[in-house]
Amino acid sequence: QKEVEQDPGPLSVPEGAIVSLNCTYSNSAFQYFMWYRQYSRKGPELLMYTYSSGNKEDGRFTAQVDKSSKYISLFIRDSQPSDSATYLCAMTTDSWGKLQFGAGTQVVVTP
Amino acid sequence: DTAVSQTPKYLVTQMGNDKSIKCEQNLGHDTMYWYKQDSKKFLKIMFSYNNKELIINETVPNRFSPKSPDKAHLNLHINSLELGDSAVYFCASSQGGSLAKNIQYFGAGTRLSVL
Repeated sequence: QKEVEQDPGPLSVPEGAIVSLNCTYSNSAFQYFMWYRQYSRKGPELLMYTYSSGNKEDGRFTAQVDKSSKYISLFIRDSQPSDSATYLCAMTTDSWGKLQFGAGTQVVVTP
Repeated sequence: DTAVSQTPKYLVTQMGNDKSIKCEQNLGHDTMYWYKQDSKKFLKIMFSYNNKELIINETVPNRFSPKSPDKAHLNLHINSLELGDSAVYFCASSQGGSLAKNIQYFGAGTRLSVL
């Protein structure tokens, strides 16, 4: 079993809909949680990071962490075709940055 | 003024050859990383250097050797390339040293094809 599980999709939604993405993890020592967006043939770019359980909002993006359930989520409101990308969750236990990534979920927002 | 830049972007080579990928960051970060992304998009860390010192060395064949001439550069040399080495290799950097400083910034990737 992988340490971080993420449904690879694809997840297809109409423009304007809410995109809901999630990851589950098995290692309760993970403390820091991140979401990256990766466009085709590009490097991952950081979208959100959270340290504790709860919600964090940044524009159209909301990240949620539930440490008791070992579950993290990313919501994208008012989705746009430009949001079409692969979204990767990542998490770490240590200060030196050894990130464990999920497999990534491909999102397609159709006009 | 790309923050993390890798060269080359594409690398096509024959089995058995030796090749290098270069990475440079202009963010003033102390920590740099190499990741491998396979055909299923799974990103896996290979190495990490902090101020030119190796701090993460995952289970990677010793045909892969990272070199950090200074903290702004981390190169990856691969000997005796095999078909299974075909992947996209990403360089990343972060300030490092604490959880809060571990935000990693990625380069655009080097797409390696071994024929």
